[in-house]
Amino acid sequence: AQTVTQSQPEMSVQEAETVTLSCTYDTSENNYYLFWYKQPPSRQMILVIRQEAYKQQNATENRFSVNFQKAAKSFSLKISDSQLGDTAMYFCAFMKGGNTGTASKLTFGTGTRLQVTL
Amino acid sequence: DAGVIQSPRHEVTEMGQEVTLRCKPISGHNSLFWYRQTMMRGLELLIYFNNNVPIDDSGMPEDRFSAKMPNASFSTLKIQPSEPRDSAVYFCASSLRTGSYEQYFGPGTRLTVT
Repeated sequence: AQTVTQSQPEMSVQEAETVTLSCTYDTSENNYYLFWYKQPPSRQMILVIRQEAYKQQNATENRFSVNFQKAAKSFSLKISDSQLGDTAMYFCAFMKGGNTGTASKLTFGTGTRLQVTL
Repeated sequence: DAGVIQSPRHEVTEMGQEVTLRCKPISGHNSLFWYRQTMMRGLELLIYFNNNVPIDDSGMPEDRFSAKMPNASFSTLKIQPSEPRDSAVYFCASSLRTGSYEQYFGPGTRLTVT
């Protein structure tokens, strides 16, 4: 079974600064995907960024980037130029890669509550 | 395009009553997932379907929970009878079976059982 660990229950960052959220996972799979989801107070789950395990290049989406260390089973999220709208719960999630054309479930970490302050 | 649609958004019911949650996935998506979010257990998968067929229902808590997907555009999650410990936010998500596997979530249904 896969496990996802987020060791930072809460973090705070000032507007315009950079913050890094940590995530580690445990799996015996070689083919998998990793995700970061954002859940603002509206409770909507919003996909922030995705990383395929077979890709060495770290994924980037505008101000969001990841540091994927496959050997260490680490998948941290860096938010640059933090904005007030980034205030939310952030969940790291793991998905086992299935056979071609087969979707699979997400296993979530416990989340990190990020507060962006003025 | 409309996202995943869930109804109702809020449901308050008394213990012992039947509750039915509904989900319409994104058009063209052929995988559908039901998740539950609680303070104690976080986000956990209840069941998921590929092409309307249940693939993994190991997360369904007990026989009081059942889920169906009669066609590609509709799914239900039913709790009968409901209990206070079922109070949670229930999310439906959909994705394509192939490609990026990104799951898109609905707004969730907040269920309160008194």
